[in-house]
Amino acid sequence: QQQVKQSPQSLIVQKGGISIINCAYENTAFDYFPWYQQFPGKGPALLIAIRPDVSEKKEGRFTISFNKSAKQFSLHIMDSQPGDSATYFCAAGRDDKIIFGKGTRLHILP
Amino acid sequence: ETGVTQSPTHLIKTRGQQVTLRCSSQSGHNTVSWYQQALGQGPQFIFQYYREEENGRGNFPPRFSGLQFPNYSSELNVNALELDDSALYLCASSLDPSRTYEQYFGPGTRLTVT
Repeated sequence: QQQVKQSPQSLIVQKGGISIINCAYENTAFDYFPWYQQFPGKGPALLIAIRPDVSEKKEGRFTISFNKSAKQFSLHIMDSQPGDSATYFCAAGRDDKIIFGKGTRLHILP
Repeated sequence: ETGVTQSPTHLIKTRGQQVTLRCSSQSGHNTVSWYQQALGQGPQFIFQYYREEENGRGNFPPRFSGLQFPNYSSELNVNALELDDSALYLCASSLDPSRTYEQYFGPGTRLTVT
């Protein structure tokens, strides 16, 4: 199976709160797990990515947590800001192929 | 350094027609991938071109075809358009196929098939 399952479909968080988006994959051959951010009218942009040999990666307010045994990974956005309101996609890939989740529409309340 | 550009921005076609979408890759990138993004869905991989050759293909029928030119720009051609082909078509470029996850996306072409 090549699916990547993402949840929740939509998320509302207060400004300053923590936004958490979860993903699960099935194919253990995947060897990189990126997260993309997409604003309306724009293409997705790479936010942060992790390899399966690392359990956590942090870049500024964004953190990926990776659980290889559970085949799950998550994005945490600390101190969420209204400018973070966007659609977020998790993905899993190997070599030239990437499978995307269906996306989470995040809205940060001011 | 210019980013990834796509043309046209929007396009309306009739079922059964053919369409060509264009993409200019980021400077220095020799790999271009094409994706179909239906409304409310994540992008779905169509195919990838590396140095003018198809380097991988997703689960799309042969009526979806592509080209990459010596300057690494690319075209996506879709024949015999169907209503379900209505979507945002994204191209993305990367330094090489091993850096696909670091790809830069263009703004997309919104195709409507009536």
